[in-house]
Amino acid sequence: SQKIEQNSEALNIQEGKTATLTCNYTNYSPAYLQWYRQDPGRGPVFLLLIRENEKEKRKERLKVTFDTTLKQSLFHITASQPADSATYLCALDNTGTASKLTFGTGTRLQVTL
Amino acid sequence: GAVVSQHPSRVICKSGTSVKIECRSLDFQATTMFWYRQFPKQSLMLMATSNEGSKATYEQGVEKDKFLINHASLTLSTLTVTSAHPEDSSFYICSARDRLVPHSYEQYFGPGTRLTVT
Repeated sequence: SQKIEQNSEALNIQEGKTATLTCNYTNYSPAYLQWYRQDPGRGPVFLLLIRENEKEKRKERLKVTFDTTLKQSLFHITASQPADSATYLCALDNTGTASKLTFGTGTRLQVTL
Repeated sequence: GAVVSQHPSRVICKSGTSVKIECRSLDFQATTMFWYRQFPKQSLMLMATSNEGSKATYEQGVEKDKFLINHASLTLSTLTVTSAHPEDSSFYICSARDRLVPHSYEQYFGPGTRLTVT
């Protein structure tokens, strides 16, 4: 069966450190993978998209890697800040048409002073 | 830009009644909108895809007669939960794609509607 797995345990890190979140998937062949941020009681906010032919994507303090052999994406936040505290979701579209996003359960990140 | 609103943000209704949730794209037009449901500490689950001017496409296991979707214009989609029961209590989130950017994979999400059925 198809699965998207993110570490369900919260990740606690100190301000200034790099946070690394993992997204593993099975029985998918996604053309691309997306990362979203979700704050409590709010809808997700798009952060980054990485395509299957891209190894790495960067946006300001964010970096995403995509390894289609390992079926894994890593999401990094460098120089983390308390304002980065939120739940981060990865999402896949198996159709390649952006028509059906399937989300992981998300990993809660807590950045402390 | 690319703002999606939902109304209401919270609603409490009695079991057996119907509730309508609106999803609006405020500064863009959307031929396609999506409705998701999220239970506490769980992921977003796609319920249906709403297409302007045509019938919605429902995901497996989602009752189309219970969750009525209408996408009457390029900026508005509505989800009506009919004969609501306590198990329908959840966080309902819509998203939309900008029709002027057809090859963009980005979905813009609304802030969500918290439905509580008593």
